Amino acid sequence: SQQGEEDPQALSIQEGENATMNCSYKTSINNLQWYRQNSGRGLVHLILIRSNEREKHSGRLRVTLDTSKKSSSLLITASRAADTASYFCATGKFNAGGTSYGKLTFGQGTILTVHP
Amino acid sequence: GAVVSQHPSRVICKSGTSVKIECRSLDFQATTMFWYRQFPKKSLMLMATSNEGSKATYEQGVEKDKFLINHASLTLSTLTVTSAHPEDSSFYICSARQGAAGNTIYFGEGSWLTVV
Repeated sequence: SQQGEEDPQALSIQEGENATMNCSYKTSINNLQWYRQNSGRGLVHLILIRSNEREKHSGRLRVTLDTSKKSSSLLITASRAADTASYFCATGKFNAGGTSYGKLTFGQGTILTVHP
Repeated sequence: GAVVSQHPSRVICKSGTSVKIECRSLDFQATTMFWYRQFPKKSLMLMATSNEGSKATYEQGVEKDKFLINHASLTLSTLTVTSAHPEDSSFYICSARQGAAGNTIYFGEGSWLTVV
């Protein structure tokens, strides 16, 4: 299987509900990032969590990281129809100083559909 | 904020012809850019790392003679799909790393290539 696998592959919820997406990875990381992609568009960076962090918040987003299980989760609270998109986790290669090389390995993604 | 621009956003070409896709960093210098390929409803797969002033580094399985990458300046990388075939039809996305040692990575809006 591939680095950065997400589940579920597809998630359909009603507006106002919370959406949780999970990601697993295989190798050691310095940080893990979550991205959003609207259909047929580029990627938007959502949040980065470092390996020494366990949880991070940004607005309605909450990301957790469990390095012992090599997994991360993205929670979107109080979802809106505009949150409909694909969500990807990504890990990258880093040098000894923790600086990102920028070369990312993406998970398979979760397609989130939020119904009004 | 920093912006990465891709052109064209959509292109249709005939089998056997070549097509060039540009990736520009609009307000920062990018010593390194990355090219990804994405099939519909699939994840992004890294194709190559484009380094300004030197040869690109290709991922395993990516044909360097098929996908020519040129990074002639600090703000421009180009991907040329040579002798295109219908199976080359895909969504191509570039990203650029701001600075030589920064963690910030910006993605372009992507380019849809259809080979007929």
